[in-house]
Amino acid sequence: NAGVTQTPKFRILKIGQSMTLQCTQDMNHNYMYWYRQDPGMGLKLIYYSVGAGITDKGEVPNGYNVSRSTTEDFPLRLELAAPSQTSVYFCASSYSTNEKLFFGSGTQLSVL
Amino acid sequence: RKEVEQDPGPFNVPEGATVAFNCTYSNSASQSFFWYRQDCRKEPKLLMSVYSSGNEDGRFTAQLNRASQYISLLIRDSKLSDSATYLCVVNYHNNDMRFGAGTRLTVKP
Repeated sequence: NAGVTQTPKFRILKIGQSMTLQCTQDMNHNYMYWYRQDPGMGLKLIYYSVGAGITDKGEVPNGYNVSRSTTEDFPLRLELAAPSQTSVYFCASSYSTNEKLFFGSGTQLSVL
Repeated sequence: RKEVEQDPGPFNVPEGATVAFNCTYSNSASQSFFWYRQDCRKEPKLLMSVYSSGNEDGRFTAQLNRASQYISLLIRDSKLSDSATYLCVVNYHNNDMRFGAGTRLTVKP
């Protein structure tokens, strides 16, 4: 039972580069979330999705894009990486908002 | 008021102490409340859900006060292994789940 799988675990980008953080879950959850966590801070919601084809902005969506073409996958796209996007990124999924969030192991991203 | 706000911490307590954390939320329509634990920047793990009538799980007790819009977590008989960051989570609008900034707890021998 894989749960939520995030790739890559670590990545270093140069300013202006683009990349996609992958997130896949095998629990048939409709709800999926992307968070970022800066040092000493809590998790901030970037984007979320309540089902295939539906996405919504969270607290800090600027500089990111998402898509949800299938129930399983919820990739996060950085188009023009900036140093301010250096952070740890967590993907999560849940059956509903009344159920616990299942997290991936995180992606440490550095933009230099 | 911030959407979800926690005690700033850090809390440094001796083993065996009782410690309590509070978390306030701004949206009176919020329906789902949780406490998560996070170790050393690893992924957060669910500690417990928070129910309207309050709930207990061993040494941990969670309470919800809708009138004042806060949730609390009480840890009794603190163990060294309780050292971690405790995060409150609230559904802010319908389906989006918001985290507090976290409260760092260190339990010392």
